[in-house]
Amino acid sequence: GEDVEQSLFLSVREGDSSVINCTYTDSSSTYLYWYKQEPGAGLQLLTYIFSNMDMKQDQRLTVLLNKKDKHLSLRIADTQTGDSAIYFCAEKSYQKVTFGIGTKLQVIP
Amino acid sequence: IAGITQAPTSQILAAGRRMTLRCTQDMRHNAMYWYRQDLGLGLRLIHYSNTAGTTGKGEVPDGYSVSRANTDDFPLTLASAVPSQTSVYFCASSSTGGPVKVEQFFGPGTRLTVL
Repeated sequence: GEDVEQSLFLSVREGDSSVINCTYTDSSSTYLYWYKQEPGAGLQLLTYIFSNMDMKQDQRLTVLLNKKDKHLSLRIADTQTGDSAIYFCAEKSYQKVTFGIGTKLQVIP
Repeated sequence: IAGITQAPTSQILAAGRRMTLRCTQDMRHNAMYWYRQDLGLGLRLIHYSNTAGTTGKGEVPDGYSVSRANTDDFPLTLASAVPSQTSVYFCASSSTGGPVKVEQFFGPGTRLTVL
């Protein structure tokens, strides 16, 4: 079945760039997403990318997609303490969305 | 109501008791979902509904049931709770069709503890 994998934890210093990586197995994915979950809250969509795109940039966020390797990354420039959260990678194929396990980003002041 | 709401916020429940977690959305979304979130396991889909009147099983449906009598409500019932059902439960909804409407909107979650 479909599988989405992420590392569990990432720690960066405030002001540095963060890169969160994700791999997926479903070659029929149509959309790939990054969701953010702050403590005690539900998930909120941060950004998404169509499977026919290589890159999407939105302010401090850059999403890179390598469809050949089935690798998705999220880069956060100038990481702030408010970026501390769990980041979920997800992929959509047909009507199903599969979430990764989530990467906890810790920003050190 | 704005968006998607869940009730209760948290609940402690004795094993063997029946419990219904409520979820309501006011966005007229066709699809609704129930997930459980457990440490080290991420989000796992329990049940889903693509439209009012239909439901389907997700990845971990055992011990749970759902109904979708109308567009807005999607309750999740634990018929006889067990400690392994201790988790944080998230309800979500999404519209169907069109690239911009693929986002799932999540409720704030219900923290359930089964003793």
